Amino acid sequence: LAKTTQPISMDSYEGQEVNITCSHNNIATNDYITWYQQFPSQGPRFIIQGYKTKVTNEVASLFIPADRKSSTLSLPRVSLSDTAVYYCLVGTGYSTLTFGKGTMLLVSP
Amino acid sequence: EAGVTQFPSHSVIEKGQTVTLRCDPISGHDNLYWYRRVMGKEIKFLLHFVKESKQDESGMPNNRFLAERTGGTYSTLKVQPAELEDSGVYFCASSPLTGENTGELFFGEGSRLTVL
Repeated sequence: LAKTTQPISMDSYEGQEVNITCSHNNIATNDYITWYQQFPSQGPRFIIQGYKTKVTNEVASLFIPADRKSSTLSLPRVSLSDTAVYYCLVGTGYSTLTFGKGTMLLVSP
Repeated sequence: EAGVTQFPSHSVIEKGQTVTLRCDPISGHDNLYWYRRVMGKEIKFLLHFVKESKQDESGMPNNRFLAERTGGTYSTLKVQPAELEDSGVYFCASSPLTGENTGELFFGEGSRLTVL
């Protein structure tokens, strides 16, 4: 399973764009990149998934360069409620997803 | 549509006792996963069911843990006898069995286990 590396924590202010980058140098050909969000006392929640280039949904954008050795989750105009831990996971659909330490995002007023 | 539900939300037991955690996946989801986070550690995979069959149980820590999914619907995770190091939050997740390659798992809110 591909190992991921991401910042331990990030701070931001309301209304700013936040970009969280994840490194996954040994990503396999069939691996997808998936991001989850977790609030305290809740289970992780799927945010977005991609294989290459750019993916956008109503919540976030995911940028994946051509070599796929990293990816960047972009959260536009964050609010206080976006304060959470964000996990970058790499794997195939039915494989066991491995959660790393995640990035603790703190959004301040 | 109901999400993944887990019961109990919190259980406090003494070392040596038995606890059974239950997970009801989203209706129609054939994939069911158990994960856990022990204090201060990362979320770790325990096992994966496809319908009633164990697809992968490589993450089960030892034989004190028994997971079942009779009939391919809800699943139970029994810890017997419980030890102090079993304390943590146990998450259940489910996903549909489709031909698409997706990593989207739907997680429950977790069952917190405290072993005294």
